[in-house]
Amino acid sequence: EAGVAQSPRYKIIEKRQSVAFWCNPISGHATLYWYQQILGQGPKLLIQFQNNGVVDDSQLPKDRFSAERLKGVDSTLKIQPAKLEDSAVYLCASSLDPQTLLYNSPLHFGNGTRLTVT
Amino acid sequence: GDSVTQMEGPVTLSEEAFLTINCTYTATGYPSLFWYVQYPGEGLQLLLKATKADDKGSNKGFEATYRKETTSFHLEKGSVQVSDSAVYFCALSEGSGANNLFFGTGTRLTVIP
Repeated sequence: EAGVAQSPRYKIIEKRQSVAFWCNPISGHATLYWYQQILGQGPKLLIQFQNNGVVDDSQLPKDRFSAERLKGVDSTLKIQPAKLEDSAVYLCASSLDPQTLLYNSPLHFGNGTRLTVT
Repeated sequence: GDSVTQMEGPVTLSEEAFLTINCTYTATGYPSLFWYVQYPGEGLQLLLKATKADDKGSNKGFEATYRKETTSFHLEKGSVQVSDSAVYFCALSEGSGANNLFFGTGTRLTVIP
């Protein structure tokens, strides 16, 4: 099966600019996640969608970050305006079901988008 | 709150050497524990898991045992290969949903021939 697709792979922007990332999950996966992985740290969940509804966005900096999954398939994550501390790899993951961690095939991660803010 | 502390890297080993990557955790309840691996140029993928105390997770020659008494979940492999070179993440969850998944900082392993 095709994996989780993300684009672009790399993005360099100046602070205060805007940027958007795109994710296409595995076909049929109802649950989609965005993670932020700062260099030297583990991934941190930003937002979780179940179909086109938000399940958890408690860690999303809502003053500058937004995400949508309008048709319950693809998703975009936007940062506006970007700050230096937003430099990180942004990972998208999907799963068949939100109650997935106990199963043998839990989260499927994409390769990520590496953002550099200068 | 919940947290995971991983052995700092990077770790460099010769092929066929024994590998241990330490992981300890702090949790308020009874978490499930995971090891994820990220090979160069690829996304994170689940390596193994354990859902209760004394469980042993295993996959691809790697093993980790859930030790409640020492709050640890150390990753081991008896004989590493060059293809095991990757970044390894320890993680825990106190629920079955990924919104409760907490990752450690990762340990980079390089295996040299």
